[in-house]
Amino acid sequence: DAKTTQPTSMDCAEGRAANLPCNHSTISGNEYVYWYRQIHSQGPQYIIHGLKNNETNEMASLIITEDRKSSTLILPHATLRDTAVYYCIVSGMDSNYQLIWGAGTKLIIKP
Amino acid sequence: GAVVSQHPSRVICKSGTSVKIECRSLDFQATTMFWYRQFPKQSLMLMATSNEGSKATYEQGVEKDKFLINHASLTLSTLTVTSAHPEDSSFYICSAGTPLGYTFGSGTRLTVV
Repeated sequence: DAKTTQPTSMDCAEGRAANLPCNHSTISGNEYVYWYRQIHSQGPQYIIHGLKNNETNEMASLIITEDRKSSTLILPHATLRDTAVYYCIVSGMDSNYQLIWGAGTKLIIKP
Repeated sequence: GAVVSQHPSRVICKSGTSVKIECRSLDFQATTMFWYRQFPKQSLMLMATSNEGSKATYEQGVEKDKFLINHASLTLSTLTVTSAHPEDSSFYICSAGTPLGYTFGSGTRLTVV
């Protein structure tokens, strides 16, 4: 079973910030929080990951609560091309770890 | 950044034939590659983990004789769907780990008619 819980779907207006929540209350001390997204009929795309500090890159920001039991992915200025399914996954940093995929959040950006 | 190239992107085959899907790591070496299957409107389901130079590890319920995995080099892993049937029609995706996380192929849409 997936170790994360996400809302099934969300809408966001184009140009606004999209905030996608994720609960991972059973995360262990050595597990990272990863975010990926999948645009229809494509392979998943890496967005960002973090351990306990907030992270930002050219795509998004990741806010992790102090107790690490939840996090929020922020797309600062959503565009129509950001419409996708967003997956929050917790995993060890070892690249041989399996990723366990939940259902993700279907984010629809509306004009 | 690390790129995994997956081919073909889509294939249509007749029932009973075999189809080979290739995944190459273009600028890094992948000792481990993961193979997923995704049915419409569902999440990714791990089928097997391939390890360079050794036998693949299959998830419960995945037939190893039907889904043949070969990982003969550090840059190439292949998945062969043998004796394909319409129920094997799906989206197949490979993935490899890198120091920054996992990178995925673009997927192969298999349709068995």
